[in-house]
Amino acid sequence: GAVVSQHPSWVICKSGTSVKIECRSLDFQATTMFWYRQFPKQSLMLMATSNEGSKATYEQGVEKDKFLINHASLTLSTLTVTSAHPEDSSFYICSATQNPGHSTDTQYFGPGTRLTVL
Amino acid sequence: DAKTTQPTSMDCAEGRAANLPCNHSTISGNEYVYWYRQIHSQGPQYIIHGLKNNETNEMASLIITEDRKSSTLILPHATLRDTAVYYCIVRVQGSARQLTFGSGTQLTVLP
Repeated sequence: GAVVSQHPSWVICKSGTSVKIECRSLDFQATTMFWYRQFPKQSLMLMATSNEGSKATYEQGVEKDKFLINHASLTLSTLTVTSAHPEDSSFYICSATQNPGHSTDTQYFGPGTRLTVL
Repeated sequence: DAKTTQPTSMDCAEGRAANLPCNHSTISGNEYVYWYRQIHSQGPQYIIHGLKNNETNEMASLIITEDRKSSTLILPHATLRDTAVYYCIVRVQGSARQLTFGSGTQLTVLP
């Protein structure tokens, strides 16, 4: 299957700082990528849909000014958590769609990024 | 997308087949059944998907009932590494939409 990478795999930062997480599709182009967040013992929750060359679409309750998404190329989307606070500590996971809009489209997920804000 | 219902947890002996059920009684004609699994502290892994015919790949088999209201994921020879949360998701293929995750089934493979 297709491979999606994330960097870093884990990060610890101080409250008030910003953290950037990268999501890359390694062997396919992804016009659409998704960002999810997962708190302990909970399921994945969609945060936003990232579209190459256009603004991201955020889910209700997700602050677009706090979680900045940039999808500047067909293989890279970044999520920046600005002015991070301890409540932002979570497992952030991206996914990329291979062949979006086609009958064979399948989402592949990155390994996730564990963010801990002190 | 249609809602799915899965048991909260299941145990399976190592080497045995693991059969994970999923109910999706409100599935529409153009919705596919997808299965993903998430091993602890990792991103979800795609397993298999299907529309109405049974499907098999190197990881698992997917059996969909004739009325498409339920399905079963079969891991033919479960190993300890198959211990994970398994998610059954129904989605229109080709829609480029996100996946909506429910609670899934925690499968524990016992030695």
